[in-house]
Amino acid sequence: DGGITQSPKYLFRKEGQNVTLSCEQNLNHDAMYWYRQDPGQGLRLIYYSQIVNDFQKGDIAEGYSVSREKKESFPLTVTSAQKNPTAFYLCASSRGRDLRTEAFFGQGTRLTVV
Amino acid sequence: GDSVTQMEGPVTLSEEAFLTINCTYTATGYPSLFWYVQYPGEGLQLLLKATKADDKGSNKGFEATYRKETTSFHLEKGSVQVSDSAVYFCALSDPMDTGRRALTFGSGTRLQVQP
Repeated sequence: DGGITQSPKYLFRKEGQNVTLSCEQNLNHDAMYWYRQDPGQGLRLIYYSQIVNDFQKGDIAEGYSVSREKKESFPLTVTSAQKNPTAFYLCASSRGRDLRTEAFFGQGTRLTVV
Repeated sequence: GDSVTQMEGPVTLSEEAFLTINCTYTATGYPSLFWYVQYPGEGLQLLLKATKADDKGSNKGFEATYRKETTSFHLEKGSVQVSDSAVYFCALSDPMDTGRRALTFGSGTRLQVQP
């Protein structure tokens, strides 16, 4: 079945450490996105990529980095510069060029800083 | 920039009650509008969408009509069930916003349906 796979589902990080969240899709979608979800604040865009080897900052990119070396993969690194990284992270993909089409979401990764 | 405003929750209803969740938007162009649903601990699933004015999206008994004159896309259901308990997000994508090729979400509205 086609879809988006995020791993791991739960992740614990010590303060000062970098951590990478995985996102893989087999929908043959050009565009991929990372959102952060905090209670009562909806989803905020971190980074997005419309095509391989290209990506753009979203609304809250500080303290995060991404890469898009393959069409299927869009990993997110939460760096030690991110002041408050504890949150639920959602990866999504879409066909890209036509913004009238919907985005498909993964099941999310819950990151907790301990 | 573009924005989406949803009514604050939680919304608590009894089973078989009528549901309305308000959503209004601000956009520079003619956006497409979406409702997504999130069940506990999961990602978001598309519930319905509308891509132009006066379009009505519908799915699983839920409906929403794209009203350009009031910049609204309110979600309605005639008779809710306990299984409808979830968080509902209104979202837009704006083809005119070349600087942001991604969905913009509202803050979400939690629905609790009691038996």
